[in-house]
Amino acid sequence: AQSVTQLGSHVSVSEGALVLLRCNYSSSVPPYLFWYVQYPNQGLQLLLKYTSAATLVKGINGFEAEFKKSETSFHLTKPSAHMSDAAEYFCAVSATGANSKLTFGKGITLSVRP
Amino acid sequence: GAGVSQSPSNKVTEKGKDVELRCDPISGHTALYWYRQRLGQGLEFLIYFQGNSAPDKSGLPSDRFSAERTGESVSTLTIQRTQQEDSAVYLCASRLVGQETQYFGPGTRLLVL
Repeated sequence: AQSVTQLGSHVSVSEGALVLLRCNYSSSVPPYLFWYVQYPNQGLQLLLKYTSAATLVKGINGFEAEFKKSETSFHLTKPSAHMSDAAEYFCAVSATGANSKLTFGKGITLSVRP
Repeated sequence: GAGVSQSPSNKVTEKGKDVELRCDPISGHTALYWYRQRLGQGLEFLIYFQGNSAPDKSGLPSDRFSAERTGESVSTLTIQRTQQEDSAVYLCASRLVGQETQYFGPGTRLLVL
């Protein structure tokens, strides 16, 4: 069984400030890990993924995440927030293999203050 | 190329009616998934297709929910005798076999009155 915990439902940062969105996972098998972003009234867009290669993963729009097995974490960071980063962010885990269905966290809404 | 498309984008129905939601995956993607996103909650897995067969239906919440896929392409999710708790955004995703990334459609927003 797999699960994802995203603590808190809302994070607010100032434009130009560091963005840190936390994600912890539970998995009985080596996982694949994903961060997706959802802008209002749109579908989910992949930001980045970890698939057992490099533990520090770089994604689109300046985001990156680090897989830490010892902490079962996959936190998302961006050095400098931009107004356009305001959206909902979902962390997800899947097992390897044919099915690979995603188990999502509840999501975090990121607000960016001018 | 074209992404995943879903129709309708919005659907309002009355309690007790049946609804059909459609998903057109990316061409060549044989893996297809349905998820549900209820207000204030994360996304829940509903069903997984590999080709036209559904080896994992474990997320379907009741026997009022069913899905089929034909021609390794279009999939239809049917909800019979809709209830108010079925109100949600229904998202479809497709994936190329051998790749990890699922590509999501824009969703169908279902409101049951």
